[in-house]
Amino acid sequence: EIVMTQSPATLSVSPGERATLSCRASQSVTNLAWYQQKPGQAPRLLIYGASTRATGIPARFSGSGSGTEFTLIISSLQSEDFAVYYCQQYNNWPLTFGGGTKVEIK
Amino acid sequence: EVQLVESGGGLVQPGGSLRLSCAASGFTFSNYAMSWVRQAPGKGLEGVSAISGSTGTTYYADSVKGRFTISRDNSKNTLYLQMNSLRAEDTAVYYCAKAGSGWSHYFDYWGQGTLVTVSS
Repeated sequence: EIVMTQSPATLSVSPGERATLSCRASQSVTNLAWYQQKPGQAPRLLIYGASTRATGIPARFSGSGSGTEFTLIISSLQSEDFAVYYCQQYNNWPLTFGGGTKVEIK
Repeated sequence: EVQLVESGGGLVQPGGSLRLSCAASGFTFSNYAMSWVRQAPGKGLEGVSAISGSTGTTYYADSVKGRFTISRDNSKNTLYLQMNSLRAEDTAVYYCAKAGSGWSHYFDYWGQGTLVTVSS
């Protein structure tokens, strides 16, 4: 099983600032997605293929990385961006998700 | 508009069974793999099971293998999860999710989730 590790667990950021979220895989993957989840809601796809924005996702969200190290950057945090973010590898079954990074208002 | 609507959750005793359903609309159902992803209260996401669009190929997490069965009826645009021998640790919100591209298991659409509570 590929273990996905996200850091930090909590990120405190002021509106308008940049947020950098990290995701590490226990072995090399080529298929990596990022999701946003707000309380009481289903996850929402942000990024797939490590760097391709999903339909309707604002350009302030960007994904990068390869191999075992991946990054999600939110360039200028808006009020609606405060949420929990998960990375997911879909190289191999079982699909595995990181433990999440909570982005909170500083 | 893509819609995924789960049903069938509820309270069940340990050792009991439930069948979840997910009614899909707004896309050609048979062209896409579908999955069940669960989230225990206050916890992260776990991939439970997946099924291909037409060949019937299935995958299961080790935690549910032998107890859960995924299936689909492409004529009814419906995905199912038969859950047997339920345990307390199966308590979670169960989401139905559509593969983003054919057999690629990233998920571009999710249902609203259905809560399964296993407790005596």
